[in-house]
Amino acid sequence: KNEVEQSPQNLTAQEGEFITINCSYSVGISALHWLQQHPGGGIVSLFMLSSGKKKHGRLIATINIQEKHSSLHITASHPRDSAVYICASAINTDKLIFGTGTRLQVFP
Amino acid sequence: KAGVTQTPRYLIKTRGQQVTLSCSPISGHRSVSWYQQTPGQGLQFLFEYFSETQRNKGNFPGRFSGRQFSNSRSEMNVSTLELGDSALYLCASSPGSSSYNEQFFGPGTRLTVL
Repeated sequence: KNEVEQSPQNLTAQEGEFITINCSYSVGISALHWLQQHPGGGIVSLFMLSSGKKKHGRLIATINIQEKHSSLHITASHPRDSAVYICASAINTDKLIFGTGTRLQVFP
Repeated sequence: KAGVTQTPRYLIKTRGQQVTLSCSPISGHRSVSWYQQTPGQGLQFLFEYFSETQRNKGNFPGRFSGRQFSNSRSEMNVSTLELGDSALYLCASSPGSSSYNEQFFGPGTRLTVL
């Protein structure tokens, strides 16, 4: 059974800080997704990766297949980054398994 | 391109009733996935449709069903509603397999069962 765990569950930061959110999964996967959910419920896909590293603006996602671990980094954090960040793993079944999410609050 | 749309956005039903939710994917996207989100269980996969075929189903009772039409629009139905079905129901579309493609989420339908 594939389980996905995220840490930390809650995170507060001051504007400008470097932030790291971690995601671990228990079985081999075909891809890992990082999602962002703002208050009100809207979900945006940030990254989908199966190896290595991806960067988009101030966001960086990395994955280590051997260690079954992925990280999402936010550089120069800003209050508008405040949201819930969710990782989801995909095995070869088109079925996503979600982590419980990390609630991030960035204060000015 | 228009985004993923879901209707209705809010719905209040009573126990025992049934409900149908609708999802219109981004034009050209053939895969539609449905998810349930609750404070206690978080996000859970319900099912995925691709070209009118259900390719995978999550661990939900048979009261939860869905279908996809030839224009890729999808509906999900919940029969004999229970209080625990109160949740945010999200659909997402992607060009191909949801595992290997970025998913584009709709705004969700918030269902309240009284």
